[in-house]
Amino acid sequence: QVQLVQSGAEVKKPGASVKVSCRSSGYTFTSYDVNWVRQATGQGLEWMGWMNPNSGNTGYAQKFQGRVTMTRNTSISTAYMELSGLTSEDTAVYYCARAPTVPTGHYYYMDVWGKGTTITVSS
Amino acid sequence: DIQMTQSPSSLSTSVGDRVTITCRASQSISTYLNWYQQKPGKAPELLIHAASRLQSGVPSRFSGSGSGTDYTLTINSLQPEDVATYYCQQSYSTPYSFGQGTKVDIK
Repeated sequence: QVQLVQSGAEVKKPGASVKVSCRSSGYTFTSYDVNWVRQATGQGLEWMGWMNPNSGNTGYAQKFQGRVTMTRNTSISTAYMELSGLTSEDTAVYYCARAPTVPTGHYYYMDVWGKGTTITVSS
Repeated sequence: DIQMTQSPSSLSTSVGDRVTITCRASQSISTYLNWYQQKPGKAPELLIHAASRLQSGVPSRFSGSGSGTDYTLTINSLQPEDVATYYCQQSYSTPYSFGQGTKVDIK
C-alpha cells in the first residue's frame, strides 16, 4: 500500500544538524511532491517547504531559508530534510507528506503522511 | 504571507450533534483550502481539498464549503471517532499556512 516511512527519533545538541529521511512505497516516487511539516508538542502544524523529486526543485518557507535543505535519492525512493543550526525551538515532530505534482493554478493538497520523526534538541 | 484563523479553538459537544468549524484567510484564497484531521498521537489525515471535495474514504458526514476568505467544515452527526483536532490549510500561495487548529471533544 501507499506509505511514507520516516527515520527514527533523534536527540541533538544545540547548534547541530539533523537529517530526516522519508522512504516512499506503493506509488511512483517522482510523480508526487514531498512536503515537510513540523509540530512542536501541544502546538499546531507548521509548513516548512516542498520538493519535487523528479526535478529536485524546492521551495522553502522564509522562516527556514538558509537552514533547511530538502533532497532526494530517486534510486531508493527516499526524500530527506536536513535542518541545521538547531535550537531548542526546533524540538518537534517532523512529518513528510506527499502531494500530487500539479501545474501552477491547480489544487494542491497533502494526501499521504508519514508517521512523524521526533527531533529533540537539548544540551 | 497568508494568515489562517480558525474558530472556535475548541468545542465540546454530544454524539449525534452537528459541528461547524470556520476558517478565515487574510486574503482571498479562491477555494485553495484543505481540511485535515489529526487524532491524538497520530499524523494528520486529509479530509477535504479544494474547499469542498471529499477525500476518498472519508465518511460523508464530513463536508466543506466556502469561497473567497471564509470557509467551513461541517460534521453532521458527530461520532466518537471524530474526536480530534481539525486544521485548515491554504494552498493558494507559499508558505502553505495552517490555521491554529480546532479541538473537538465529546461531552
